[in-house]
Amino acid sequence: DAGITQSPRHKVTETGTPVTLRCHQTENHRYMYWYRQDPGHGLRLIHYSYGVKDTDKGEVSDGYSVSRSKTEDFLLTLESATSSQTSVYFCAISERAESGRYTDTQYFGPGTRLTVL
Amino acid sequence: QKEVEQNSGPLSVPEGAIASLNCTYSDRVSQSFFWYRQYSGKSPELIMSIYSNGDKEDGRFTAQLNKASQYVSLLIRDSQPSDSATYLCAVKSGNEKLTFGTGTRLTIIP
Repeated sequence: DAGITQSPRHKVTETGTPVTLRCHQTENHRYMYWYRQDPGHGLRLIHYSYGVKDTDKGEVSDGYSVSRSKTEDFLLTLESATSSQTSVYFCAISERAESGRYTDTQYFGPGTRLTVL
Repeated sequence: QKEVEQNSGPLSVPEGAIASLNCTYSDRVSQSFFWYRQYSGKSPELIMSIYSNGDKEDGRFTAQLNKASQYVSLLIRDSQPSDSATYLCAVKSGNEKLTFGTGTRLTIIP
């Protein structure tokens, strides 16, 4: 357990409404990631963060924004949700080894199931 | 576009037999390779990581890497019903991002 929580765990919303998903970690990991998982597509990276206020886009970033104002929290926002954004969203972190160097091993949170009607 | 390919399955294996899961990748400079297991409705959990050509064993699991053939595999010995899950292959190439395959669904038949 890498100390990752996600909230909410389930959400149903309507098209056009804003939605914010939260990822919280307790172990001071530098790197955090947001993925979505859909049948037939596997896990796809939306955005990632390599430090406070340092973020970058992944392969499916359109329609999503992120923010990281504290090390422990990484927020994913859908400004105006669409039905195509119905998915399961996973947050992940990269583990920090005892030496302080970051490994490339990623660990996942429990996920948020989002339904956009 | 960096790609990671897996046979989607389902792959059915009798209990006690060896399950063999395969993955190919397109980026020749890929450096790190991972296998995750995902039960239905749950998050992916790391099983193995491998970085060098050859075999790496951990209990009943063996990861095999062949960079020349751009191929990584996972063997599960003495398969148990609890091994029934979807197995995801992931590849890292030069930055902090992973590319995932779509996963192979494995069913162990008692």
